Amino acid sequence: GENVEQHPSTLSVQEGDSAVIKCTYSDSASNYFPWYKQELGKRPQLIIDIRSNVGEKKDQRIAVTLNKTAKHFSLHITETQPEDSAVYFCAALGGSNYKLTFGKGTLLTVNP
Amino acid sequence: NAGVMQNPRHLVRRRGQEARLRCSPMKGHSHVYWYRQLPEEGLKFMVYLQKENIIDESGMPKERFSAEFPKEGPSILRIQQVVRGDSAAYFCASSPRRLAGGSSTDTQYFGPGTRLTVL
Repeated sequence: GENVEQHPSTLSVQEGDSAVIKCTYSDSASNYFPWYKQELGKRPQLIIDIRSNVGEKKDQRIAVTLNKTAKHFSLHITETQPEDSAVYFCAALGGSNYKLTFGKGTLLTVNP
Repeated sequence: NAGVMQNPRHLVRRRGQEARLRCSPMKGHSHVYWYRQLPEEGLKFMVYLQKENIIDESGMPKERFSAEFPKEGPSILRIQQVVRGDSAAYFCASSPRRLAGGSSTDTQYFGPGTRLTVL
């Protein structure tokens, strides 16, 4: 089955700096990679996703890159703000489809 | 369009009791997924259901756990004879069609979760 590794587990940055979170996956047939943001006690919320037919996608301060050859994808947040502080999860949709496998999460803290 | 609804939001049970968790998918969504989240861990897939069918229950313990998604009404995750290790947040998600990559534009939307505490 699919295995997703996520690094780092914690990340602390100063407001205005960039933050990068990286994930690797094992199933070469995986073709959909969403990123979720979860604030304490809240539901995971989709912030951006990428499918296997593109290599990069950007939405304002958030971007995701995908390298299918190396089987890794990354989340980039620029000009971080304190409200970006949360746990971020990457996920991969395996070749069987419908089943998302999640990374263990990255606790991002943006210090004012 | 209301989002995915779950109830109760918090549930406290004593060891040996039963826990029933409910999930109402978004309007127009007929595919439901249940996940379990332990403290400081990611979400672990439990079961995938369509209306009246269990498609994949490979992530769900074979004993004490069951799930259903009837023709009418919410999806139910049922845990019998709960133990302390069942304490976790249980999230359901829904999608309009079977989640797929490629040219699909579908995604999963999560409910607010049910936080189960077993005393």
